Amino acid sequence: DAEITQSPRHKITETGRQVTLACHQTWNHNNMFWYRQDLGHGLRLIHYSYGVQDTNKGEVSDGYSVSRSNTEDLPLTLESAASSQTSVYFCASSAGDVGGKTEAFFGQGTRLTVV
Amino acid sequence: SQQGEEDPQALSIQEGENATMNCSYKTSINNLQWYRQNSGRGLVHLILIRSNEREKHSGRLRVTLDTSKKSSSLLITASRAADTASYFCATDTFGNEKLTFGTGTRLTIIP
Repeated sequence: DAEITQSPRHKITETGRQVTLACHQTWNHNNMFWYRQDLGHGLRLIHYSYGVQDTNKGEVSDGYSVSRSNTEDLPLTLESAASSQTSVYFCASSAGDVGGKTEAFFGQGTRLTVV
Repeated sequence: SQQGEEDPQALSIQEGENATMNCSYKTSINNLQWYRQNSGRGLVHLILIRSNEREKHSGRLRVTLDTSKKSSSLLITASRAADTASYFCATDTFGNEKLTFGTGTRLTIIP
């Protein structure tokens, strides 16, 4: 069965370190997204991609970067981790609006703690 | 900024009762979707309604959309304990397939 997986599920890192969160999907979806979820804020979009070599900034992109070298993967990098980036991170993918297919499939999330 | 705002923020009802959650959004949309999130898990898609549709059903779920008021409601009939979760609305716009989420409604079903 097709799926979307995130790794690691839990991560503790120190302030100032570079951290990369992995996201891998086997749906062959064009669209991939990274969100962060914080209490009281719901899900906020960090970065997204509509295809290979395409990346776009979301509403909370400062301090984060992504790259899309293939269809399956969209790793999220925190350049220099800060305590404000302690959060739960979700990756999602969608086929795109081909016949209305904007339904998103989510990974299980990565809980990141910056100390 | 959040596109959608859910109301109420939290809702507790007895098992078997109906649960209604509302979502308001700010700009014109292409689609509106509802998702469920169980504690500690990722979001799961429930239902999608297009901007030219007014009502949609799926099992015990009924979604309405009023584009003139920029609002939507999700009705869960005959609630079950397993419906306990957070529910989010999400919108996308014409020519832009990224989803913008609201802050969610936490639903608790009391057995």
